[in-house]
Amino acid sequence: EPEVTQTPSHQVTQMGQEVILRCVPISNHLYFYWYRQILGQKVEFLVSFYNNEISEKSEIFDDQFSVERPDGSNFTLKIRSTKLEDSAMYFCASSEPGLQYQETQYFGPGTRLLVL
Amino acid sequence: SQQGEEDPQALSIQEGENATMNCSYKTSINNLQWYRQNSGRGLVHLILIRSNEREKHSGRLRVTLDTSKKSSSLLITASRAADTASYFCATDKGSRDDKIIFGKGTRLHILP
Repeated sequence: EPEVTQTPSHQVTQMGQEVILRCVPISNHLYFYWYRQILGQKVEFLVSFYNNEISEKSEIFDDQFSVERPDGSNFTLKIRSTKLEDSAMYFCASSEPGLQYQETQYFGPGTRLLVL
Repeated sequence: SQQGEEDPQALSIQEGENATMNCSYKTSINNLQWYRQNSGRGLVHLILIRSNEREKHSGRLRVTLDTSKKSSSLLITASRAADTASYFCATDKGSRDDKIIFGKGTRLHILP
């Protein structure tokens, strides 16, 4: 069964460093998302991406964050200058093009980011 | 906010019993989805129910949706130890690329 994959599974970085989290969505999906989950808290939406541009972003997704689909398979989340509060599990998700409505979003296993 | 809120926050039951978790939300939705998360792991999609559906089954899972009460329930029948996890409901307004809003989850613990 096709699945969303994410690398790395764990990332430790120093505050102020740049990190790039990578995702490979399911191949026929066209909608891509990043969510994050701070330890012990609920999953929060960061950004959605379709047709090579951001569809929607949350307040969390400030200028330090960017997303890119550099080729036909990868979808990346970059944090330019990490802060301690960026420590969280980051989930990538993708969904297929429904005719009209939202289809199921399939999530990757997550990247656990720890900022020291 | 359209977020879902699950209750109870935590539930412990004996293996073999049925587990029922509830979710309430505040605004109109198009879809409601249930996800499972094992401790510290990824989110596994369980089931999606659309606003024009009232009940849906998948294996040992049964989901109901009452849009008049803005609530949903997830029933897991004949629970197993492997069902121990957190369960989240998530809602969206229905556009094709709409974000989904997660609730805080119910931590389910199946006792052997």
